[in-house]
Amino acid sequence: GENVEQHPSTLSVQEGDSAVIKCTYSDSASNYFPWYKQELGKGPQLIIDIRSNVGEKKDQRIAVTLNKTAKHFSLHITETQPEDSAVYFCFEGGGADGLTFGKGTHLIIQP
Amino acid sequence: GAGVSQSPRYKVAKRGQDVALRCDPISGHVSLFWYQQALGQGPEFLTYFQNEAQLDKSGLPSDRFFAERPEGSVSTLKIQRTQQEDSAVYLCASSSTLGVDTQYFGPGTRLTVL
Repeated sequence: GENVEQHPSTLSVQEGDSAVIKCTYSDSASNYFPWYKQELGKGPQLIIDIRSNVGEKKDQRIAVTLNKTAKHFSLHITETQPEDSAVYFCFEGGGADGLTFGKGTHLIIQP
Repeated sequence: GAGVSQSPRYKVAKRGQDVALRCDPISGHVSLFWYQQALGQGPEFLTYFQNEAQLDKSGLPSDRFFAERPEGSVSTLKIQRTQQEDSAVYLCASSSTLGVDTQYFGPGTRLTVL
């Protein structure tokens, strides 16, 4: 994940509030940016993805935004619920750097 | 099957032993990926297959690591002469398309080398 920087490493929010996780990348040729959710003892599960020809994509409470000029993309979760608690990973692909995950964000939803 | 399956789910090996980890991808998926995930870290790419062809093995950490997918379906990751630093979760993912697209992950195999 050295070519993808993910922040923050831990995020604690009150139930019902919004959460934002951001990743920056360096390879301008990268064109595929998914976000994965990983629960304890399980493999990562895709929650949303975006390609480089789109600036924003939304699926119910989850949205992803992409700024190609600044080389960063963000995950937005609104109206957070206890089941949103997990580790979230960003991913960049399609460029010369290959397939790279961020180091992960541990999202904690406080009741 | 409904998803990607991996076996065994847990493996304990003594240092120096050889291990073999199996991945059953989603039926019909042409692309298969192996990743290594250390505790508290993101998955790190190991190798990529397109059908039976291993197109990228740049992430394999040493020549003790070997992967195969002889019939373009099931894949095996083999680690020879295991070392303590090999302790990690090994994840397998498959995709229905060629190249970079949605990957479906298995539950992983947790390898502990004593």
